[in-house]
Amino acid sequence: GNSVTQMEGPVTLSEEAFLTINCTYTATGYPSLFWYVQYPGEGLQLLLKATKADDKGSNKGFEATYRKETTSFHLEKGSVQVSDSAVYFCALSADFNKFYFGSGTKLNVKP
Amino acid sequence: EAEVAQSPRYKITEKSQAVAFWCDPISGHATLYWYRQILGQGPELLVQFQDESVVDDSQLPKDRFSAERLKGVDSTLKIQPAELGDSAMYLCASSPVSYEQYFGPGTRLTVT
Repeated sequence: GNSVTQMEGPVTLSEEAFLTINCTYTATGYPSLFWYVQYPGEGLQLLLKATKADDKGSNKGFEATYRKETTSFHLEKGSVQVSDSAVYFCALSADFNKFYFGSGTKLNVKP
Repeated sequence: EAEVAQSPRYKITEKSQAVAFWCDPISGHATLYWYRQILGQGPELLVQFQDESVVDDSQLPKDRFSAERLKGVDSTLKIQPAELGDSAMYLCASSPVSYEQYFGPGTRLTVT
């Protein structure tokens, strides 16, 4: 079946620190992979995506590379800001537009 | 930039009452989703529509939940009767033919 596993939080970093949030997946076929971000009291916003193996998605300084050999899609950012504090969800899309979400990782960035 | 609209943003209701949520997807998006998100967890799919047809409602508690998308545009999710365990964020999302999904701001439901 299809599923996503991501590292548990919360992750607490100081401003300008390097961020990695791990995400691994199980899928039949060839899924597309996504990272979404959710700020308190709001819906999910698409952060970045990758649709095939070795693709790198990037947006707002965040990056993730679709690694088929390790079934991973880890989120990275070189220098986090306080405004990056939010909950991050890894997700995959398969089986005709059906989406599967991880449980989310809360990021706290301290000034 | 087009957005998914949801209303109300917040709803407080007593258990055993009926409650309804509305969603207006991005124009032209054929696929519409309703999710339930319990605090601290990821979204859980309740129902998926393709145009006006239900594609997947396997996780929808059909004894109390119903969803419709009569003209293949906007959609309503109803709970009757509401239970304490239904307190959650209800998210609507829509998707074009490609593999992207756009979320609305959600409706925060509190059942007392």
